[in-house]
Amino acid sequence: DGGITQSPKYLFRKEGQNVTLSCEQNLNHDAMYWYRQDPGQGLRLIYYSQIVNDFQKGDIAEGYSVSREKKESFPLTVTSAQKNPTAFYLCASTAGGRQGDYGYTFGSGTRLTVV
Amino acid sequence: AQSVSQHNHHVILSEAASLELGCNYSYGGTVNLFWYVQYPGQHLQLLLKYFSGDPLVKGIKGFEAEFIKSKFSFNLRKPSVQWSDTAEYFCAVRGPSSNTGKLIFGQGTTLQVKP
Repeated sequence: DGGITQSPKYLFRKEGQNVTLSCEQNLNHDAMYWYRQDPGQGLRLIYYSQIVNDFQKGDIAEGYSVSREKKESFPLTVTSAQKNPTAFYLCASTAGGRQGDYGYTFGSGTRLTVV
Repeated sequence: AQSVSQHNHHVILSEAASLELGCNYSYGGTVNLFWYVQYPGQHLQLLLKYFSGDPLVKGIKGFEAEFIKSKFSFNLRKPSVQWSDTAEYFCAVRGPSSNTGKLIFGQGTTLQVKP
């Protein structure tokens, strides 16, 4: 079955550490996105990538970094510079294609807790 | 700045009651509008979307939404809710200047349906 796999499901990080969240898709989608979900704030865009080897900052990119070396993979690194990293992180992808027809497929998320 | 506002953060209804969740956005011009649902422990999934044409769109599980351009609104409705509709609901907008598929999400509304 095609879909998006995020790992790990739960992640604990000590303050001052960098951690990397994995996102892999086998949908052959061109575009991939990282969102952060916090209670009462909805989903906020961290980074997105429309094509391999290219990515853009979203609304809350500070303290995060990404890479897009392969079409199917879009890992997110939460660096020590991120002041409040405890959150639920969602990865999504979309085929793009016809302008306006951007249905997202979401992963199951990674819950990151700083201890 | 582009934004999406959901009026109700937490809604509690009894089964068979009617539902209306408000969503307003701050774009001008042509927009694409979406409602997503996140059932407990599950992925975000698309309920319905509006791109053009009939402003009353029907989605899965008996949900519908009406696009009112003059009010910048895209409210979600269901005539009779069920206990299984308990979930978090997100309104999302893709703005006219975006050719990236980037969606802006509202804060989310938690719906609790009492059996």
